[in-house]
Amino acid sequence: DGGITQSPKYLFRKEGQNVTLSCEQNLNHDAMYWYRQDPGQGLRLIYYSQIVNDFQKGDIAEGYSVSREKKESFPLTVTSAQKNPTAFYLCASRSPPGGEDNEKLFFGSGTQLSVL
Amino acid sequence: AQSVTQLGSHVSVSEGALVLLRCNYSSSVPPYLFWYVQYPNQGLQLLLKYTTGATLVKGINGFEAEFKKSETSFHLTKPSAHMSDAAEYFCAVVKAAGNKLTFGGGTRVLVKP
Repeated sequence: DGGITQSPKYLFRKEGQNVTLSCEQNLNHDAMYWYRQDPGQGLRLIYYSQIVNDFQKGDIAEGYSVSREKKESFPLTVTSAQKNPTAFYLCASRSPPGGEDNEKLFFGSGTQLSVL
Repeated sequence: AQSVTQLGSHVSVSEGALVLLRCNYSSSVPPYLFWYVQYPNQGLQLLLKYTTGATLVKGINGFEAEFKKSETSFHLTKPSAHMSDAAEYFCAVVKAAGNKLTFGGGTRVLVKP
């Protein structure tokens, strides 16, 4: 089945540690996104990528890094510079214009990151 | 810059009553508009979307929303709430042909028996 897979479902980070959240899609989508969800704040855009080997900062990119070496993969690294990393992280990809799925977003099931 | 405002972070409705979730947006160009639902510890699921054409959009699970350009609104409704509708709902906007999707703060719906 086509879709987006995020792993792990739960992740714990020690102080000063970098951790990487995985996001893989087999939908052949060019555009992919990382969002952070905090209670009462809705979703905020961290980074997005419109095509392989390209990505842009979103609204809250500080303390995060991404790579887009393959179309299928858009991993997010939460660095030690991110002082408040505890949140629910959602990855998404977007279908191209036209067709039944015209610019539809597909979401993964999320990763809950907590600080030890 | 575009923004999305959802009025009310929590809404409580009785089973069988009307569900009304408000969404207003600001955008410098005609937007595409979306409503998503999130059940506990799950990702987001698309309820419905407006891109072009008919301004009254019907989605899954009996939900619908109407795009009103003059009011810059995209309110979500369901005539009769069901217990399974208890979830968090997000409104989102993106510029047509743009890539940056902006979400509202979310509205948590509680359904009372």
